Amino acid sequence: EAGVAQSPRYKIIEKRQSVAFWCNPISGHATLYWYQQILGQGPKLLIQFQNNGVVDDSQLPKDRFSAERLKGVDSTLKIQPAKLEDSAVYLCASSGTSGAQETQYFGPGTRLLVL
Amino acid sequence: AQKVTQAQTEISVVEKEDVTLDCVYETRDTTYYLFWYKQPPSGELVFLIRRNSFDEQNEISGRYSWNFQKSTSSFNFTITASQVVDSAVYFCALSDLTTDSWGKLQFGAGTQVVVTP
Repeated sequence: EAGVAQSPRYKIIEKRQSVAFWCNPISGHATLYWYQQILGQGPKLLIQFQNNGVVDDSQLPKDRFSAERLKGVDSTLKIQPAKLEDSAVYLCASSGTSGAQETQYFGPGTRLLVL
Repeated sequence: AQKVTQAQTEISVVEKEDVTLDCVYETRDTTYYLFWYKQPPSGELVFLIRRNSFDEQNEISGRYSWNFQKSTSSFNFTITASQVVDSAVYFCALSDLTTDSWGKLQFGAGTQVVVTP
């Protein structure tokens, strides 16, 4: 079974530029998550989708971050404009459905460096 | 509120030594789930184990074992006879039903394990 796919793996941009990340979850997984992991810290949830609907975006900086999952499968996370403090690893995860008991499976992440 | 504390920032061991990683959690819920993930240098978080709050049996999987103690709110992880391939950051995480019923994971800060030959 194929795992969670993410691209690109690495991205370097200058501040105020825009960037987009792509994620394809495990086939059949209804729930998709985007996490931000700053160096030396644990991942922090940015947004959670159940199929193509948002169930939690309380920690998403909506003035600059946006995400969509239009057909309930793959998803795109965008930052516009980027700031220096957005330098982090962006992890995508998926699970069969939503719920505290569900195991989340993670992709390899996208390492973003904002100069 | 949910909170996960991994007090050990880094642990260095020589190959074949045992290493124990501590995890202490806080939750007001009686039903919750605890997880351990491994993050090797490649960056991907690899799922290791899930434990629910009603199952306090310790678990062993190969060289890995977990000790869940509700009385002390701890879920510790031991690697027996460590190998160089065990070098990674290990995260403990918690999800419960009160703060968020949608399965939001609260991660600890992680413990870096360095195994030298």
